[in-house]
Amino acid sequence: DGGITQSPKYLFRKEGQNVTLSCEQNLNHDAMYWYRQDPGQGLRLIYYSQIVNDFQKGDIAEGYSVSREKKESFPLTVTSAQKNPTAFYLCASSGRDGRSGNTIYFGEGSWLTVV
Amino acid sequence: KNQVEQSPQSLIILEGKNCTLQCNYTVSPFSNLRWYKQDTGRGPVSLTIMTFSENTKSNGRYTATLDADTKQSSLHITASQLSDSASYICVVSGYTGGFKTIFGAGTRLFVKA
Repeated sequence: DGGITQSPKYLFRKEGQNVTLSCEQNLNHDAMYWYRQDPGQGLRLIYYSQIVNDFQKGDIAEGYSVSREKKESFPLTVTSAQKNPTAFYLCASSGRDGRSGNTIYFGEGSWLTVV
Repeated sequence: KNQVEQSPQSLIILEGKNCTLQCNYTVSPFSNLRWYKQDTGRGPVSLTIMTFSENTKSNGRYTATLDADTKQSSLHITASQLSDSASYICVVSGYTGGFKTIFGAGTRLFVKA
């Protein structure tokens, strides 16, 4: 099946640890995104990538890092510098960056809890 | 001020009834507007996409309208089903300080039997 796979679904992290969330897509999409979702708020863009080996900061990039070494993969690392990392994280992809109205497809999300 | 405002914040309706969700935006110039459905703990799923020249788009029992002059959109759900219980998110893309895609906070819909 074509789609976006995020893993793990649930992750617990101790304070001071870095964690990496995986995102893989087999839709042959150029653009990939990471969003954070908090209760009662709209999705906020962390990082996005329009092409392999290139990525740009979104609105809330501090404390996060990404890489785009392969077209189908866009992992997100939540570093210890992120002060409030407990949230629901969504990975997405689209044919381009959305300017042409291409559908943005989302993965099933990853719940990160800091304990 | 949020550039995409949705109302109501939450809504409870009986199964079989119709409902309309609202989305007002200030994003300008406007590129496109999308409605997504998000079940609890899942990723959002696209319902409709509308560009500037479109004022209505249907997807089964979901019908979205767009008034680009007043910067308003609505999502009408006909003959609601229990499975319609979800959050509905309005997403607006445009060229406000560079190209941006902005998500509304969503309307939480509860359909009761």
